[in-house]
Amino acid sequence: EDQVTQSPEALRLQEGESSSLNCSYTVSGLRGLFWYRQDPGKGPEFLFTLYSAGEEKEKERLKATLTKKESFLHITAPKPEDSATYLCAVRKNTDKLIFGTGTRLQVFP
Amino acid sequence: ETGVTQSPTHLIKTRGQQVTLRCSSQSGHNTVSWYQQALGQGPQFIFQYYREEENGRGNFPPRFSGLQFPNYSSELNVNALELDDSALYLCASSLDINNEQFFGPGTRLTVL
Repeated sequence: EDQVTQSPEALRLQEGESSSLNCSYTVSGLRGLFWYRQDPGKGPEFLFTLYSAGEEKEKERLKATLTKKESFLHITAPKPEDSATYLCAVRKNTDKLIFGTGTRLQVFP
Repeated sequence: ETGVTQSPTHLIKTRGQQVTLRCSSQSGHNTVSWYQQALGQGPQFIFQYYREEENGRGNFPPRFSGLQFPNYSSELNVNALELDDSALYLCASSLDINNEQFFGPGTRLTVL
């Protein structure tokens, strides 16, 4: 069965304390892994797409990496404005994205 | 460039009623996908429309139906509302079926 698991469920960091979020997946025929950021009561905001193992992408303090079984979202020196829920999703056909339940990140000053 | 917009923002209905939610795609996008997001969960795929045709459907009953118009805007209709239908309904558009999906702000539906 296709499955996406994110860990940890929640993460509390001090401002400047770097960490990583994990997304593990069991999907046959992966056609892309996506990271989104979601603020409370709002729609997900697109961050990255990764297509093949070994691929990396960066945006400001965020860096996403992909292996054959999992993806990591590394957050370097986070700021309070990075607080949000980070969602991982995979696509195996051209239609649906299969989402994990997300990691709720809180960054304290 | 205008992003994905959805209306209404919030909606309260009673069990058994019917509801229509609307979505305007980002300019130039021909694909629209609808998702349901319960509190504390990730979005769940309802269905996708590509060039006015349904292109895939998730595990939702037939009382969830949709439509895509020639200008690529879309509607989600839910009949015979149930309490469990209370959720955030998200619309996402993409340039084409193989491209990234960009989400709207969502419609919060409460069923009493």
